[in-house]
Amino acid sequence: NAGVTQTPKFQVLKTGQSMTLQCAQDMNHEYMSWYRQDPGMGLRLIHYSVGAGITDQGEVPNGYNVSRSTTEDFPLRLLSAAPSQTSVYFCASSYRQPDTQYFGPGTRLTVL
Amino acid sequence: GESVGLHLPTLSVQEGDNSIINCAYSNSASDYFIWYKQESGKGPQFIIDIRSNMDKRQGQRVTVLLNKTVKHLSLQIAATQPGDSAVYFCAENAGGTSYGKLTFGQGTILTVHP
Repeated sequence: NAGVTQTPKFQVLKTGQSMTLQCAQDMNHEYMSWYRQDPGMGLRLIHYSVGAGITDQGEVPNGYNVSRSTTEDFPLRLLSAAPSQTSVYFCASSYRQPDTQYFGPGTRLTVL
Repeated sequence: GESVGLHLPTLSVQEGDNSIINCAYSNSASDYFIWYKQESGKGPQFIIDIRSNMDKRQGQRVTVLLNKTVKHLSLQIAATQPGDSAVYFCAENAGGTSYGKLTFGQGTILTVHP
């Protein structure tokens, strides 16, 4: 198993641009989530999904959209990038909730 | 505000010593707790978890203690090794309507000196 994969690993955007961060898992996990991690801080939950077709907001959802059309994929969309969205983004998945979440390697995003 | 681990403390130990990393939480409804290790440039890695109906759980070289009375969680690492150097995060799940949402603390930096 590849586990949780994320692409791209690094990304630089200009203010106002949009983009999609990709996340995929091959463990047949029902639960997937997106976090952001800012310097000196823990991870904050952006959005999560408890199964295909079901998503919900986390602690910091503004400026981000998600969808879950398949069990494997959970993309995160930035609608209009802002410098405040400069961060490292982690995707995670687990078999059920609450349960051990397996994290991807992260995407380091810079918004200029 | 943050409900878990409001500070980012550091802990420096010698190789072979035992390490204790602490975490305070404020939500008495939390029923599941996890410790993660994060090395530089990598995603968090699961270490050990504990449910609220337990006080102690042991893994390989690690032990987690839960004190629900004072809402305190600790991670003990035995015979700490240089490879244990990382940032350690505690996380809680509040259950109920928050089921599935993990709240992370800010982390503790552990440095192990050879």
